[in-house]
Amino acid sequence: KNEVEQSPQNLTAQEGEFITINCSYSVGISALHWLQQHPGGGIVSLFMLSSGKKKHGRLIATINIQEKHSSLHITASHPRDSAVYICAVSGSARQLTFGSGTQLTVLP
Amino acid sequence: EAGVAQSPRYKIIEKRQSVAFWCNPISGHATLYWYQQILGQGPKLLIQFQNNGVVDDSQLPKDRFSAERLKGVDSTLKIQPAKLEDSAVYLCASRRLTGPGANVLTFGAGSRLTVL
Repeated sequence: KNEVEQSPQNLTAQEGEFITINCSYSVGISALHWLQQHPGGGIVSLFMLSSGKKKHGRLIATINIQEKHSSLHITASHPRDSAVYICAVSGSARQLTFGSGTQLTVLP
Repeated sequence: EAGVAQSPRYKIIEKRQSVAFWCNPISGHATLYWYQQILGQGPKLLIQFQNNGVVDDSQLPKDRFSAERLKGVDSTLKIQPAKLEDSAVYLCASRRLTGPGANVLTFGAGSRLTVL
């Protein structure tokens, strides 16, 4: 069973700051997902990656397969980025194992 | 395309009562998941369907939880009788089995259950 750990659990930043959220997993995977969850429960998929780096707007996700580690970066953070960010990994069975999430609060 | 539909969005019941949640996945998505997300935790898989068959229900508390997907499209999750610790958001998600986007999981908005 894959263990997924995220850090930090809670993060408060000032608007404009560069933010990094980390994710580590214990067993080899087929893909890693970064998800965003706003209050109310809805989850939106931000990235799915199996190697390298992906960028979408102010969001950047990287993964190091050898080190079993991924990071999600937010550049020029904004209060609307405030949400829970969840890392999830999928193995051969295509089931997702989720981290416990990082609560991000960006203050104006 | 339309997203994953779930209902009800909110439900408050007393312990020992029963409750049912409904999920309609994206059209053509053969795989459907139910997750339980307790406040402050990541989602936990309850059950995975492929078409109308169960792939994995190892973490489903079968003494009180049941789920079905009779026609391989929409699904219901039932809790009977409910306990206080069942208070959570119940998330439904779906994905294609094969082809483009097969690794992309689409979530519904969730059904928030409060057991008093």
